[in-house]
Amino acid sequence: EAQVTQNPRYLITVTGKKLTVTCSQNMNHEYMSWYRQDPGLGLRQIYYSMNVEATDKGDVPEGYKVSRKEKRNFPLILESPSPNQTSLYFCASSLGQGYSPLHFGNGTRLTVT
Amino acid sequence: SQKIEQNSEALNIQEGKTATLTCNYTNYSPAYLQWYRQDPGRGPVFLLLIRENEKEKRKERLKVTFDTTLKQSLFHITASQPADSATYLCALGGYSSASKIIFGSGTRLSIRP
Repeated sequence: EAQVTQNPRYLITVTGKKLTVTCSQNMNHEYMSWYRQDPGLGLRQIYYSMNVEATDKGDVPEGYKVSRKEKRNFPLILESPSPNQTSLYFCASSLGQGYSPLHFGNGTRLTVT
Repeated sequence: SQKIEQNSEALNIQEGKTATLTCNYTNYSPAYLQWYRQDPGRGPVFLLLIRENEKEKRKERLKVTFDTTLKQSLFHITASQPADSATYLCALGGYSSASKIIFGSGTRLSIRP
């Protein structure tokens, strides 16, 4: 089954403790992206990747890192999480050819205390 | 700056009626517009794409219109059913494969039996 898999689904952590949210897709998609979703603000892009070893900042990149060493994986790293990073995070992938629809994972709900 | 606005209030519709959701945008000339459905606790799922040179697109009970003069898209669900209850997101994309997709904050639709 074609899918984007994120882990974990839920995560509660404390300020400053480094964490990684994993994302993997099995559709051989070139394009991958991370979003955060907050009430009233919609989906905001954090980072995206057009291909392996090609990453770029989205609208809200501060406090996040990503890497794209393999085509299928695109982990999101929070080196020193803060409470304002409490949010619902989604990974998405697409063929990356402009009109291609995004395929989303089921989200990771992160709480930073 | 680029802005997308969707019905800010939740929409409550009687089963069997047509639900109409609105997506307005400013400061953007999109190449296409997409609609997604999002259920609670799940990632958005792609429904329809309409290009700038298309006026209308249909898929089963769904119909999307795109008016680039008014800078507006309307999303219709005919013969609505309680299973159509969800949040619906519109998203705009540009001409190049590197263009960002910008999301609205969504409209929550409830279909009552």
